[in-house]
Amino acid sequence: DTAVSQTPKYLVTQMGNDKSIKCEQNLGHDTMYWYKQDSKKFLKIMFSYNNKELIINETVPNRFSPKSPDKAHLNLHINSLELGDSAVYFCASSLRRGGTDTQYFGPGTRLTVL
Amino acid sequence: SQQGEEDPQALSIQEGENATMNCSYKTSINNLQWYRQNSGRGLVHLILIRSNEREKHSGRLRVTLDTSKKSSSLLITASRAADTASYFCATADYGGATNKLIFGTGTLLAVQP
Repeated sequence: DTAVSQTPKYLVTQMGNDKSIKCEQNLGHDTMYWYKQDSKKFLKIMFSYNNKELIINETVPNRFSPKSPDKAHLNLHINSLELGDSAVYFCASSLRRGGTDTQYFGPGTRLTVL
Repeated sequence: SQQGEEDPQALSIQEGENATMNCSYKTSINNLQWYRQNSGRGLVHLILIRSNEREKHSGRLRVTLDTSKKSSSLLITASRAADTASYFCATADYGGATNKLIFGTGTLLAVQP
């Protein structure tokens, strides 16, 4: 069974569209994250939820809105997509908050905005 | 920026040789972690070393931590072609106040068969 899964794996869309990426973890972890990895492989955290509560909200355009319906799911909705949003988006989870635990990553969603 | 920096950016070695990657960071830390990323995949945790530890081993991996120099190294011994990947260090700040890991810039390791 996949520990952290994301859908879709690939997403190709036009500028201005709205899209969502879904993430689910079956590890029983309390904390989930969204990261963005750019073309130079730089990995930057965007958001983190702990037990459905938003605990990290980095400087991200408000076109990006996370939503956690329960602690096993963390979705990312992006409005009015721009060319610069093209990247690989990773979901991750950890047992606890605080950066002291191992993080488990999903396989990534490669978003291409045309 | 708290971002760690890794050195070298890219490393190419022959199978069977050892590979050493270095990571430098800027803040006081709770722990430092190393992750591997195969091409087109998510990151996989390799090893975690706490700030009060100086060295840790896991299979063919050896990690050292020097908090006075704010640096860490990852040694992969007897490398294999399957070790070809990008390797990232990540630090958690002391006390976990920011609740997050800060990832380094990564080292791309290519192991030639």
